[in-house]
Amino acid sequence: GAGVSQSPSNKVTEKGKDVELRCDPISGHTALYWYRQSLGQGLEFLIYFQGNSAPDKSGLPSDRFSAERTGGSVSTLTIQRTQQEDSAVYLCASSLNPKELSSYEQYFGPGTRLTVT
Amino acid sequence: RKEVEQDPGPFNVPEGATVAFNCTYSNSASQSFFWYRQDCRKEPKLLMSVYSSGNEDGRFTAQLNRASQYISLLIRDSKLSDSATYLCVGYNFGNEKLTFGTGTRLTIIP
Repeated sequence: GAGVSQSPSNKVTEKGKDVELRCDPISGHTALYWYRQSLGQGLEFLIYFQGNSAPDKSGLPSDRFSAERTGGSVSTLTIQRTQQEDSAVYLCASSLNPKELSSYEQYFGPGTRLTVT
Repeated sequence: RKEVEQDPGPFNVPEGATVAFNCTYSNSASQSFFWYRQDCRKEPKLLMSVYSSGNEDGRFTAQLNRASQYISLLIRDSKLSDSATYLCVGYNFGNEKLTFGTGTRLTIIP
């Protein structure tokens, strides 16, 4: 079946502009996660959705970052007034049911490579 | 100290050899663990999960030692296609979060 998809795959933007990144999770997956991976670094948790609500926003690095999820499916991550340090690969993952041992694995999308010039 | 620590490598191993990675974790709230592999400029792909003492899938064996707080991954009869970065990941059922190690880079040499 279809995996997690993300768009765009690459985004180059000028410092100060806003960007929107999109994630389509695997159909039926209730949980959706956003991560960031900077060059040569590990994955950094940003935000987690269960359904349309975000019980954990603790990883968002500043108030320039926001995310929403609608219809329990698609999510968008918005970065306002982008800075050069925002350059990274933004990865989205989904899981069927994060509370159940049989279905808690997270599956990742291909990511959006963001470059802020 | 990082919650999940791995030897970054690189590990350069001849084809056909057996290779083992260890990973230690400091947060006892991590209740389950995963190994993901990540190829260059690609997303992480789930390799194995381990909740109880261990898990085996073909050439891959993962073991969990809760008393010593480490997880291992053993790859037998290594193939060129096993070359990748291997990420050790802890999962907390309480907050449903993954905590990633920074990865161990493996290169299989022909």
